[in-house]
Amino acid sequence: GENVEQHPSTLSVQEGDSAVIKCTYSDSASNYFPWYKQELGKGPQLIIDIRSNVGEKKDQRIAVTLNKTAKHFSLHITETQPEDSAVYFCAASNGGSQGNLIFGKGTKLSVKP
Amino acid sequence: DTGVSQDPRHKITKRGQNVTFRCDPISEHNRLYWYRQTLGQGPEFLTYFQNEAQLEKSRLLSDRFSAERPKGSFSTLEIQRTEQGDSAMYLCASSSPGLGTTGELFFGEGSRLTVL
Repeated sequence: GENVEQHPSTLSVQEGDSAVIKCTYSDSASNYFPWYKQELGKGPQLIIDIRSNVGEKKDQRIAVTLNKTAKHFSLHITETQPEDSAVYFCAASNGGSQGNLIFGKGTKLSVKP
Repeated sequence: DTGVSQDPRHKITKRGQNVTFRCDPISEHNRLYWYRQTLGQGPEFLTYFQNEAQLEKSRLLSDRFSAERPKGSFSTLEIQRTEQGDSAMYLCASSSPGLGTTGELFFGEGSRLTVL
């Protein structure tokens, strides 16, 4: 089955700096790669996703890149703000399964004002 | 509020007791998922339903766990003879993907279980 590795586990940046979180996956059949943000006491919330037929996707300050050959994808947040502080999870669809997502262990992002 | 709702939000029980969690998905969503999340970890897939059919179950879902989704609406997750290792946040999510795709999962705020 699919396995997703995520790093770093913690990331601290100054407000206005960029933050990058990286993930690798194992199953070349996986075709959907979302990123979720989880704030304390809440469920994860989708912030951006990418499918395997696309190499890059951007939404305002957030971008995701996908390298299918190397089986890795990354989240880029520019001009970070204190409200970006949260735990971020990458995920991959479980091979070709449409049924579930396999999540990384998360990155705790702290943005210092 | 038309999001995913879960009940109860917190449950404290003694080892060996049975517990049941309920999830009400977004009304037009045909898929419903259960995940488990322990401290410092990402959500781990347990099972999912397409309408009332349970289509996939994780190996994490031992025979003490049972999930149902009667009539394809709300779902329940029951844990029998709870163990301390069952202590976790149980997350429910729903989605309405296009045919042949994996769509956005909308998560509820979770039901936190503490087994003493």
